[in-house]
Amino acid sequence: DVKVTQSSRYLVKRTGEKVFLECVQDMDHENMFWYRQDPGLGLRLIYFSYDVKMKEKGDIPEGYSVSREKKERFSLILESASTNQTSMYLCASTGGGEETQYFGPGTRLLVL
Amino acid sequence: QQQVKQSPQSLIVQKGGISIINCAYENTAFDYFPWYQQFPGKGPALLIAIRPDVSEKKEGRFTISFNKSAKQFSLHIMDSQPGDSATYFCAATQFQGAQKLVFGQGTRLTINP
Repeated sequence: DVKVTQSSRYLVKRTGEKVFLECVQDMDHENMFWYRQDPGLGLRLIYFSYDVKMKEKGDIPEGYSVSREKKERFSLILESASTNQTSMYLCASTGGGEETQYFGPGTRLLVL
Repeated sequence: QQQVKQSPQSLIVQKGGISIINCAYENTAFDYFPWYQQFPGKGPALLIAIRPDVSEKKEGRFTISFNKSAKQFSLHIMDSQPGDSATYFCAATQFQGAQKLVFGQGTRLTINP
C-alpha cells in the first residue's frame, strides 16, 4: 500500500514565524503536490513537483515556497506565517503512469 | 476555464436513499474525472473515476454518469448507508505530465439512520 505521511497533524504558530510542513511518500513516486483545503473552496493546489529539485507553481503559490531535495520528500515552507494561512494542508503523490493521487492525512495549521 | 463547479455544498439523505452530487467543468481538454471521498481526520482517497469515452461507470453502489456535451458529471450512491457519510470531491485533469487535478468545492454528505 502507498503511504504518504505528514510530519504533524496539528500545528499552532504565531504570525511572522517560518513554518515547515514535511511530506514523505514510500512509493518512489515522481510527482508530489501540496494543497490547502478550506470549507466551501475545495482543495486548491499550492505547488507541485515532478522530479527532484523541480517545482512548479499551482493556483495559489503566494506566501509559500517548496523544497524537494530527495525524491521521497516534499516540504512546504511558509516564509512568514499570516492568519489567512490558517488551513488544512494536504500532501499527495502519484507516479509510475498511474492516475490516482494518494493523500496524506493532512496538517491542520492555526496561525495566531 | 480551469474551474470545476460542484453542488450541492451539503446533502442529507435517509438510509437506503439515493445520494446525487453534480459537477460541471469548462475545459474540454480534461480527459479524466475522478471522485475522491474524505472521512473526518483523513486525507481524500480515490473512490471511482471515469474517462469521457464512456457515459457511465459503476462500482458497487457507486455510479458516475458523464455527459460530455453538457460538460457535466455526477456521482450517484445507491442504497446510501451511514458509513457513506463523508465529504466528496469531484475533480478533473488532463492525463499528461504531473497530472494536476482541479477539484470541485466539495459536498458534505450525511446519511441519517
